[in-house]
Amino acid sequence: DTGVSQNPRHKITKRGQNVTFRCDPISEHNRLYWYRQTLGQGPEFLTYFQNEAQLEKSRLLSDRFSAERPKGSFSTLEIQRTEQGDSAMYLCASSRDTGNTIYFGEGSWLTVV
Amino acid sequence: GQQLNQSPQSMFIQEGEDVSMNCTSSSIFNTWLWYKQDPGEGPVLLIALYKAGELTSNGRLTAQFGITRKDSFLNISASIPSDVGIYFCAVHNNNDMRFGAGTRLTVKP
Repeated sequence: DTGVSQNPRHKITKRGQNVTFRCDPISEHNRLYWYRQTLGQGPEFLTYFQNEAQLEKSRLLSDRFSAERPKGSFSTLEIQRTEQGDSAMYLCASSRDTGNTIYFGEGSWLTVV
Repeated sequence: GQQLNQSPQSMFIQEGEDVSMNCTSSSIFNTWLWYKQDPGEGPVLLIALYKAGELTSNGRLTAQFGITRKDSFLNISASIPSDVGIYFCAVHNNNDMRFGAGTRLTVKP
């Protein structure tokens, strides 16, 4: 399978704990995106990378959210001090370059209890 | 917040019927995309539209990019039970990609 891969697929955590999600994009794709999706809504853009450079992060939901893509390949999204409102599906997507079609992974479900 | 208006919010149809849904935006976008999402899964790309006025088909699906670049529609012909899911329109301008709120489709056998 050469699609976008995300793990873990599901994570249940206690409020206040930190969580990290990993995304492996399609191998020849330079761009990597993180989205959040809550029930009944479309995906909401959080941040994106061009290779290892994080070019947009103003839409990260708070300073508890951070993302990295240290070698321009896989990426991680970390949420510190989780809150119940962080419960959502976190989607990763990738594309070759600007203006190209974006392909999504299967998502990582977060439940904060 | 969402700049895209997608309608209808939900549809209940009989197997074999045709379906039409559409999306409008307040701004011009250079790329329109249609995705389908099954429960618990990520969105899967159905059709990508890159040129104003473009009409593109993918099997029983047909989508058009409006001439004003502010709207698009998706048609599904002869629906089948596996068409059930949520259909999202999305727009893309360079670094900006936004989604509609989705159309939930239910197909009754």
